[in-house]
Amino acid sequence: SQQGEEDPQALSIQEGENATMNCSYKTSINNLQWYRQNSGRGLVHLILIRSNEREKHSGRLRVTLDTSKKSSSLLITASRAADTASYFCATDYRDSGGGADGLTFGKGTHLIIQP
Amino acid sequence: DTEVTQTPKHLVMGMTNKKSLKCEQHMGHRAMYWYKQKAKKPPELMFVYSYEKLSINESVPSRFSPECPNSSLLNLHLHALQPEDSALYLCASSQDGLLGPGNTIYFGEGSWLTVV
Repeated sequence: SQQGEEDPQALSIQEGENATMNCSYKTSINNLQWYRQNSGRGLVHLILIRSNEREKHSGRLRVTLDTSKKSSSLLITASRAADTASYFCATDYRDSGGGADGLTFGKGTHLIIQP
Repeated sequence: DTEVTQTPKHLVMGMTNKKSLKCEQHMGHRAMYWYKQKAKKPPELMFVYSYEKLSINESVPSRFSPECPNSSLLNLHLHALQPEDSALYLCASSQDGLLGPGNTIYFGEGSWLTVV
């Protein structure tokens, strides 16, 4: 199965700065998604970008996708202390029967915003 | 209501116990998922149900037994677990099993399982 790999594994910045996280994956995809997880909690879907899209925005989030390099980046602008969390990219794959998709998550970036 | 509700939040069980994790959603979603997440690791897919049928089983050991009684409920039956099965178990749902724009996955808060 495919797997996303994020870098950096950990990132600490000052409040108000921009945070950039990168994700690489191995095989072709239909969609790439980014999720956020606060410590020990469930995951929250942030944004989905289709394989034929290059850039997408949602509020303070900007996602880019380069399918030729099999990579994506997530930019959070004007960071806030509440953005402290782990961020995962996820790629989907369809089971051989075609009835459902699974998501494979990358290793994640732990983002700390210093107030 | 955009919630996926999981119970219990915490469970401690012995290696000879039988227990169950429960998950419920009332969003009319027809796909439900179980993921396992170890500390400081990404979630790993275990099972996918689509229209109450098991669509994906990621080679999960038989000591984990999923059950989907109806489209709103998903259970994970646990028997003869090992200490290394201790993890956060996340339930999720989506409109149907074919993911894409407008059909993304909603996660519950998880059940913390400790096997002693």
